[in-house]
Amino acid sequence: KQEVTQIPAALSVPEGENLVLNCSFTDSAIYNLQWFRQDPGKGLTSLLLIQSSQREQTSGRLNASLDKSSGRSTLYIAASQPGDSATYLCAVSNDYKLSFGAGTTVTVRA
Amino acid sequence: EADIYQTPRYLVIGTGKKITLECSQTMGHDKMYWYQQDPGMELHLIHYSYGVNSTEKGDLSSESTVSRIRTEHFPLTLESARPSHTSQYLCASSEGGAYNSPLHFGNGTRLTVT
Repeated sequence: KQEVTQIPAALSVPEGENLVLNCSFTDSAIYNLQWFRQDPGKGLTSLLLIQSSQREQTSGRLNASLDKSSGRSTLYIAASQPGDSATYLCAVSNDYKLSFGAGTTVTVRA
Repeated sequence: EADIYQTPRYLVIGTGKKITLECSQTMGHDKMYWYQQDPGMELHLIHYSYGVNSTEKGDLSSESTVSRIRTEHFPLTLESARPSHTSQYLCASSEGGAYNSPLHFGNGTRLTVT
């Protein structure tokens, strides 16, 4: 059974600092890894999808890396802003479904 | 922004009542999913569908049922609500399977059973 872990559970940084969010998974036989953002009381918004054959994916200030062999992914957010405050979840796909981590809640202080 | 809608957003209901959580998407996606999320916890898949007349149970044991009579509509029904059903329910859809397509989520229904 795939286990997905995100550490730390919460993170607080001053505005302008770069954010580094970690995700680890136990079964490396994945199809893809996805990063999502969740605002309080809302659903999830897809940020990045990395196929298993890729090493990284970039969108604007966001960059996600994938090391399948070690079961790790890292989401980098450059020059954080208060609007980046949210919970970030990673999820890995083994077949028909995604297995989610519990998320890292980020607070960016102005 | 994804066009996937869930109603109601909040629901407080007494034990034993029958409830239906609605989910509709306007993107023409074949794949649809229901997830359950408790505060601070990971999402758990409770039902999914690969298209009309296709429904499957997910990993998390659930007393709910789903139907898929139309591509755009994927309602979830609880025949007899219990306090243990109190949770947030998230509906999602994808163009392809979860192995190659991003999921688009609705804003969720927060259910409280008293």
